[in-house]
Amino acid sequence: GAVVSQHPSRVICKSGTSVKIECRSLDFQATTMFWYRQFPKQSLMLMATSNEGSKATYEQGVEKDKFLINHASLTLSTLTVTSAHPEDSSFYICSATSVFGSGTRLTVV
Amino acid sequence: QQQVKQSPQSLIVQKGGISIINCAYENTAFDYFPWYQQFPGKGPALLIAIRPDVSEKKEGRFTISFNKSAKQFSLHIMDSQPGDSATYFCAATRGYSGGSNYKLTFGKGTLLTVNP
Repeated sequence: GAVVSQHPSRVICKSGTSVKIECRSLDFQATTMFWYRQFPKQSLMLMATSNEGSKATYEQGVEKDKFLINHASLTLSTLTVTSAHPEDSSFYICSATSVFGSGTRLTVV
Repeated sequence: QQQVKQSPQSLIVQKGGISIINCAYENTAFDYFPWYQQFPGKGPALLIAIRPDVSEKKEGRFTISFNKSAKQFSLHIMDSQPGDSATYFCAATRGYSGGSNYKLTFGKGTLLTVNP
């Protein structure tokens, strides 16, 4: 079946630095990928829609300058959390079609 | 405005029992309704999904019942096992056409605990 690979699974970074998260569709092409954020014991919140070869579409309230999305190929989308702060600590998950990646636990210290 | 309402928030079932989770939606344009299972620290995994042209879909111990007129759908887990203990999310999306659009709206989730 279709597989979405997400990397890294865990990352700890210092406040003020940037972190990049990769999302790859392993055996299929995805012109559209989605990025979600999930707080503990809460549901998934859609952050943005990543479109191959064009700008991402951000949901209301999501800072596009803080959460940079690049979808340079049909199998790879990246989310960069810029100038990270402790409040950015969360579980970030990507998806392509109905398949989700395994998530990235970001901790900003 | 929450477009997909899920209940209950938590559910405790004995091993071998039936787990039932309900969802209601508001947007009649939704045309694809998946259920996801999520274990702690992992991404959601697709369990089963249904389209509004059928009223029921069964895959193993998992069954979706769909009531289009009431705008409700539910997940039934038969013969529940301790390994089924996880958080379950219902979701909905519109514009489904062969997998080209999966912008999902999620319910708030149900924490299922199956006691041995």
